[in-house]
Amino acid sequence: AQRVTQPEKLLSVFKGAPVELKCNYSYSGSPELFWYVQYSRQRLQLLLRHISRESIKGFTADLNKGETSFHLKKPFAQEEDSAMYYCALSGSSNTGKLIFGQGTTLQVKP
Amino acid sequence: EAGVTQSPTHLIKTRGQQATLRCSPISGHTSVYWYQQALGLGLQFLLWYDEGEERNRGNFPPRFSGRQFPNYSSELNVNALELEDSALYLCASSLSLASGANVLTFGAGSRLTVL
Repeated sequence: AQRVTQPEKLLSVFKGAPVELKCNYSYSGSPELFWYVQYSRQRLQLLLRHISRESIKGFTADLNKGETSFHLKKPFAQEEDSAMYYCALSGSSNTGKLIFGQGTTLQVKP
Repeated sequence: EAGVTQSPTHLIKTRGQQATLRCSPISGHTSVYWYQQALGLGLQFLLWYDEGEERNRGNFPPRFSGRQFPNYSSELNVNALELEDSALYLCASSLSLASGANVLTFGAGSRLTVL
């Protein structure tokens, strides 16, 4: 079964500390993985996708097929990073379906 | 450029009634997706429309239906409302998947409350 697991509901760190938001997936083929973010009172928006291999707002994520993980990392958290983060999996472009994890709330304290 | 727009923002219905939610995609986007975000259940895929056709639906009963119009806007209908249908309904759009694009742009959502 296709599944995305984000084990932490809440991750609280101090400003300047490193951040790692965990995402594990279950999929038998070659998935495409995404991170979406929702800031307070804003819409859900794409943060990054694994095929782009880019850094957005200082965040990076590497697809590890061996560990079936796509953890989101940032070396130095900022207060403006506080938001809800969702990991999502697209198994096939023919289904049009994104499978989302339950989300992790990142709280960056001053 | 306007983003994905959804209406109404809030809708209150009673059990057994029908609800209709509307979505206008970003100009140039032909694919529209509907997701349900119920408390404690996360984002669940409901429906996907592309070029006026329903291409896929999630694991929801038939009383959840919709359509896509020639201008690519979409409507989600929920018949015989049940209390557990109370949720935020998110619409998203993308370029046609035939082009290989599958990056979704989301609307702000329609909050449906069933009493």
